[in-house]
Amino acid sequence: DSGVTQTPKHLITATGQRVTLRCSPRSGDLSVYWYQQSLDQGLQFLIQYYNGEERAKGNILERFSAQQFPDLHSELNLSSLELGDSALYFCASSVAPGLRNEQFFGPGTRLTVL
Amino acid sequence: AQTVTQSQPEMSVQEAETVTLSCTYDTSESNYYLFWYKQPPSRQMILVIRQEAYKQQNATENRFSVNFQKAAKSFSLKISDSQLGDTAMYFCASMNNAGNMLTFGGGTRLMVKP
Repeated sequence: DSGVTQTPKHLITATGQRVTLRCSPRSGDLSVYWYQQSLDQGLQFLIQYYNGEERAKGNILERFSAQQFPDLHSELNLSSLELGDSALYFCASSVAPGLRNEQFFGPGTRLTVL
Repeated sequence: AQTVTQSQPEMSVQEAETVTLSCTYDTSESNYYLFWYKQPPSRQMILVIRQEAYKQQNATENRFSVNFQKAAKSFSLKISDSQLGDTAMYFCASMNNAGNMLTFGGGTRLMVKP
């Protein structure tokens, strides 16, 4: 158990819908990262927050957005869902950004878009 | 930008034998870290080993060791005395200098046979 929690574990929804994935970082970690793992794209970085502020963006679609709240939990919002958005979404956390700070991964949320 | 390539989609090894997984990378960063992650059937991402690019000595963690060839941009993982529990997907990854983004390879599926 990494100490990072993600809810829900599974989510099944229809095309065009909107969903919210939630992540609680490890106690003491200020930085949160979101990754997407799909059959087509593999594992790719989406976005990073540090202490409530966006710090880095990867291959995140405009239909996707995220935020980190004052209690440091983070939410990833996916809207106008398409079949291709079906994937495993990981949240990871670290004490802070930095090469020496290990990212600890949560168990992931499996999203299925029908 | 960073790229990571794993040229072996699948590999198998007999229990107790040694196996080496290959990884090549490309980066323009002055300093960076390289990682091997394990993803068992549970889908949890588990850090196996990491290597700082400035360190010439190859990292070792129990049965896991790396062969880091900086000039060749090669970072292979050697698993000694393979165990059934080593059966998993293995991902090679690099982290950028800002320490906020992991770039993953496509993965190698390793099967340890009894």
